[in-house]
Amino acid sequence: GENVEQHPSTLSVQEGDSAVIKCTYSDSASNYFPWYKQELGKGPQLIIDIRSNVGEKKDQRIAVTLNKTAKHFSLHITETQPEDSAVYFCAASIQAGGSYIPTFGRGTSLIVHP
Amino acid sequence: EAQVTQNPRYLITVTGKKLTVTCSQNMNHEYMSWYRQDPGLGLRQIYYSMNVEVTDKGDVPEGYKVSRKEKRNFPLILESPSPNQTSLYFCASSPATFREKLFFGSGTQLSVL
Repeated sequence: GENVEQHPSTLSVQEGDSAVIKCTYSDSASNYFPWYKQELGKGPQLIIDIRSNVGEKKDQRIAVTLNKTAKHFSLHITETQPEDSAVYFCAASIQAGGSYIPTFGRGTSLIVHP
Repeated sequence: EAQVTQNPRYLITVTGKKLTVTCSQNMNHEYMSWYRQDPGLGLRQIYYSMNVEVTDKGDVPEGYKVSRKEKRNFPLILESPSPNQTSLYFCASSPATFREKLFFGSGTQLSVL
């Protein structure tokens, strides 16, 4: 089955710096790659996603890049703010026979220091 | 407000005492699923349901049961909880038109003593 590796497990940055979180996947059939943000005491929330037919996607201060050949994708956050502090999860998935089972990375705890 | 509601938020129980964690969504979503989150292991899928009366195992189904008698509800049942089921549990739902976009509940922290 699919295996998703996520690094780093903890990332500490100063406010205003950029943050990059990287994930690799094993199944070349995976074609959808979402990123979720989990704030303290809350459930994960989808913040950005990318499909395998696209190399990059941006939404204000966040962007995701995908390298299908190398089977890795990354989340980029620019001009970080204290409210960006959270746990971030990447995921990879394929649809097989109509079902959908995503495989999540282990999460990255991002700490933004004021 | 569109949301996925889980209850209870916190639960402490003892080994072997049957329990149910409820999950309800008000978005008319076809797809629902349960995850457990453990430190260093991320989110792992327990069970999922593609529609009413249709359920299937995820990656870690042992020790759990589910049912989907109504579209909006998807309870998670632990018939005989054990300490290794101590975890943070999340219910999620998504529409048939965009099954990959998961909407998560706020979580249930379960401790089995």
